[in-house]
Amino acid sequence: KAGVTQTPRYLIKTRGQQVTLSCSPISGHRSVSWYQQTPGQGLQFLFEYFSETQRNKGNFPGRFSGRQFSNSRSEMNVSTLELGDSALYLCASSTDDRGLFKNIQYFGAGTRLSVL
Amino acid sequence: SQQGEEDPQALSIQEGENATMNCSYKTSINNLQWYRQNSGRGLVHLILIRSNEREKHSGRLRVTLDTSKKSSSLLITASRAADTASYFCATDAWGTSGSRLTFGEGTQLTVNP
Repeated sequence: KAGVTQTPRYLIKTRGQQVTLSCSPISGHRSVSWYQQTPGQGLQFLFEYFSETQRNKGNFPGRFSGRQFSNSRSEMNVSTLELGDSALYLCASSTDDRGLFKNIQYFGAGTRLSVL
Repeated sequence: SQQGEEDPQALSIQEGENATMNCSYKTSINNLQWYRQNSGRGLVHLILIRSNEREKHSGRLRVTLDTSKKSSSLLITASRAADTASYFCATDAWGTSGSRLTFGEGTQLTVNP
């Protein structure tokens, strides 16, 4: 099976712009989660989508939003970019096999966003 | 804020030595997982230990879990230069629906050849 694919790998934007990141999960995985990784804050959970519905949400402002399509692919949007949004954005998918209490995440390589 | 705290933040050892990393967390959990991240790349799942397990092995990896102390440790035996990476613990909290892993701040392991 192909792994989790994130596009683009690198992005450079300026303050005030908006950006859309894309994630294609592993075939058969219905849960897609997004994380932000920065040197100062570490890995922080943004949100999780399952069956086109946001099921969990982290503590990020409303400028951060996402959606999931019927084929489980997901997009994340950040509006009105700020310098502090510069980070590695990671997408992860899982089978959501809750019956066995497993929640193993399979990560993509990430999108490196730089806001100038 | 991160639930997990990892100790040490950085560890440098020689090839062949063992490496031990520790993780502490704050809430009740379903399971605890360890991930590895090579520089600037995505994370790779290493091992999962359920809340009712105390020890688990996978190849050169040994994980322990002490729920009474809310702590876990990852031991890598006979380390190799290819083990150089950041290692993160992640907790899957009890009572949450869906996926919401909380990651520790990570331990940067350097294995010198």
